[in-house]
Amino acid sequence: QKEVEQDPGPLSVPEGAIVSLNCTYSNSAFQYFMWYRQYSRKGPELLMYTYSSGNKEDGRFTAQVDKSSKYISLFIRDSQPSDSATYLCAMSGGRGSTLGRLYFGRGTQLTVWP
Amino acid sequence: ETGVTQTPRHLVMGMTNKKSLKCEQHLGHNAMYWYKQSAKKPLELMFVYNFKEQTENNSVPSRFSPECPNSSHLFLHLHTLQPEDSALYLCASSQDSGSNQPQHFGDGTRLSIL
Repeated sequence: QKEVEQDPGPLSVPEGAIVSLNCTYSNSAFQYFMWYRQYSRKGPELLMYTYSSGNKEDGRFTAQVDKSSKYISLFIRDSQPSDSATYLCAMSGGRGSTLGRLYFGRGTQLTVWP
Repeated sequence: ETGVTQTPRHLVMGMTNKKSLKCEQHLGHNAMYWYKQSAKKPLELMFVYNFKEQTENNSVPSRFSPECPNSSHLFLHLHTLQPEDSALYLCASSQDSGSNQPQHFGDGTRLSIL
């Protein structure tokens, strides 16, 4: 079983739609959860960084963590064509082999069409 | 300059060539990382350096040789590569590899092996 599962898509939505991106994981040691956005021909850019369970909002983006279900989500409201990119989830833990080490999903390719 | 800078952006080489990838970070971080990104696969951690010392080698073949002369610079020396080594090579940095501070990535070197 992979550490982190993420549906690679592709996902295609019209401008203005609400986008939901998700990852599941198997290691209960994970405590820190990140979403990175990667545009074509660029490196991953940190979008959201959260600790433990709960929600975090930043503009049109909301990150949600449910540790009991080992499930994290990224919601994008009022999606724009400029949101078209690959979104990578990543996580790390607070002890042992997971401390400071990022475990990535495969990334979901998102296209927002005008 | 700010952030993490990688050179060259693109590299084409034959299997018998020797080349080097360079990474420089201007974030004042103490940890630097090499990752391999292949299509449809999660990012693969290759090497970790913390305060110039290598702390992790993720079973990487010896044809890849890292070098970290100081906390701001990281190199990846390449020799006798195989076609399956064609990928995007990403450098990242963070405050300390033993903490859970987020990692910041460069834009990568796209490597093609003929």
